[in-house]
Amino acid sequence: DTAVSQTPKYLVTQMGNDKSIKCEQNLGHDTMYWYKQDSKKFLKIMFSYNNKELIINETVPNRFSPKSPDKAHLNLHINSLELGDSAVYFCASSSSTASYNSPLHFGNGTRLTVT
Amino acid sequence: AQSVTQLDSQVPVFEEAPVELRCNYSSSVSVYLFWYVQYPNQGLQLLLKYLSGSTLVKGINGFEAEFNKSQTSFHLRKPSVHISDTAEYFCAVSRRSNDYKLSFGAGTTVTVRA
Repeated sequence: DTAVSQTPKYLVTQMGNDKSIKCEQNLGHDTMYWYKQDSKKFLKIMFSYNNKELIINETVPNRFSPKSPDKAHLNLHINSLELGDSAVYFCASSSSTASYNSPLHFGNGTRLTVT
Repeated sequence: AQSVTQLDSQVPVFEEAPVELRCNYSSSVSVYLFWYVQYPNQGLQLLLKYLSGSTLVKGINGFEAEFNKSQTSFHLRKPSVHISDTAEYFCAVSRRSNDYKLSFGAGTTVTVRA
C-alpha cells in the first residue's frame, strides 16, 4: 500500500489553465504539506495543514489554493498557470507539526509542465 | 531564520568506495538536523536525524552523520557505497521551537559507478 499517494504523476498544460493535484495519505497522520521542487532540485515548503487547518503558508502566490476536505487529503489547486509554475510538487505528511517528533513521509511527486 | 549549504552539488564515486557529503548550516538558535534521500522518480525518505545526545548518528542503509556544533556541520558518510546508493541527498534543518519549518539544502547528486 502506498503511504502518500499523489495524482497525477505527470501534468502537462498550457499557460492560463487551472489545474488540481490530489494527495491522500493512509498513515493516520494529522499534518500534511505541499513542497515545490524546482529545476535545480531546490525544495521549498508551500503549505502545511494540521487537522484540516492551515498552519504554514509561505509566500506563495494566491493563485495556489490548498484544500483539505479531511485529515487524509490535501489537494492543491492552481489558477491561471504560468511558465514559472513548472516544477515537481511533493505532498508529504507527518504525525505531528514538530519535525523532531516525526519524519516527513513524501509522495512520489507530480511533475507539472506549463507550456 | 536558518539556512543550509550543501557544499558539493555532484559527487561521483566508485562502487565500494567511501563517500562523504558535506552540509553546513547557519542558525541563531539551536537546531535539529536531518538527511533525506531521494531515489530517481521518487519522493524523499528520511536517512537519519540528530536531535540531541551523541553527535554521531547512524541511519538506514549503512549511512551515518556527525554533528559538529563548533563548525556548524552535519556531514553524511558511508564507508562503502553500492550502485543502489545512486540518488539525490538532502540535508535539512529545523529550529528547536514549536514553529515547525524544515529548510532543505540544494541537494547533492551521488552517482555510483561500477
